[in-house]
Amino acid sequence: GNSVTQMEGPVTLSEEAFLTINCTYTATGYPSLFWYVQYPGEGLQLLLKATKADDKGSNKGFEATYRKETTSFHLEKGSVQVSDSAVYFCALSDRQAGTALIFGKGTTLSVSS
Amino acid sequence: NAGVTQTPKFQVLKTGQSMTLQCAQDMNHEYMSWYRQDPGMGLRLIHYSVGAGITDQGEVPNGYNVSRSTTEDFPLRLLSAAPSQTSVYFCASTLEGTRDSPLHFGNGTRLTVT
Repeated sequence: GNSVTQMEGPVTLSEEAFLTINCTYTATGYPSLFWYVQYPGEGLQLLLKATKADDKGSNKGFEATYRKETTSFHLEKGSVQVSDSAVYFCALSDRQAGTALIFGKGTTLSVSS
Repeated sequence: NAGVTQTPKFQVLKTGQSMTLQCAQDMNHEYMSWYRQDPGMGLRLIHYSVGAGITDQGEVPNGYNVSRSTTEDFPLRLLSAAPSQTSVYFCASTLEGTRDSPLHFGNGTRLTVT
């Protein structure tokens, strides 16, 4: 079946460090790929998305490129801030019903000043 | 601009009790869903609805019931709570029924079953 695998955390970085969170997927068809972020005590928010191969999603300095050949959607940011501390979820959707997202287990990022 | 509203925020139940988790959205979204979030498990889909009067099961539906009598509301019912249902529950909605549609999440209900 369809699945998403994320690197396990927690990831601990100093402010201004480079961030990569790995995400790979298994899916039939042509899924859309998403990164969601969850700040403490809140629900998940969409961070970025990509809908087809080679698309690059970007938002708030974060980027991820849809790589069909490696079935990957790694999240990157060039210079993290303390305010980026959160849990990050990779997800895919390949069904017509928009609610049917499959999530990875989440990666906790902690940034210190 | 309320978005997706979940109530209550916290709930403690004894084994065997029943309760309903409420979810309402004011964005006129057709699609709504319930997820549970457990440590190390990510989010798992419980039930979803593609419109009023239509519901379907997700990955982990056992022990939960849903109904969708209006576009705005999508309550989740636990008929006989079990400790295995201790979790954080999230309701989500989206406007378009395509695979590109991002979900809008509520802030969650933290449920403890003793």
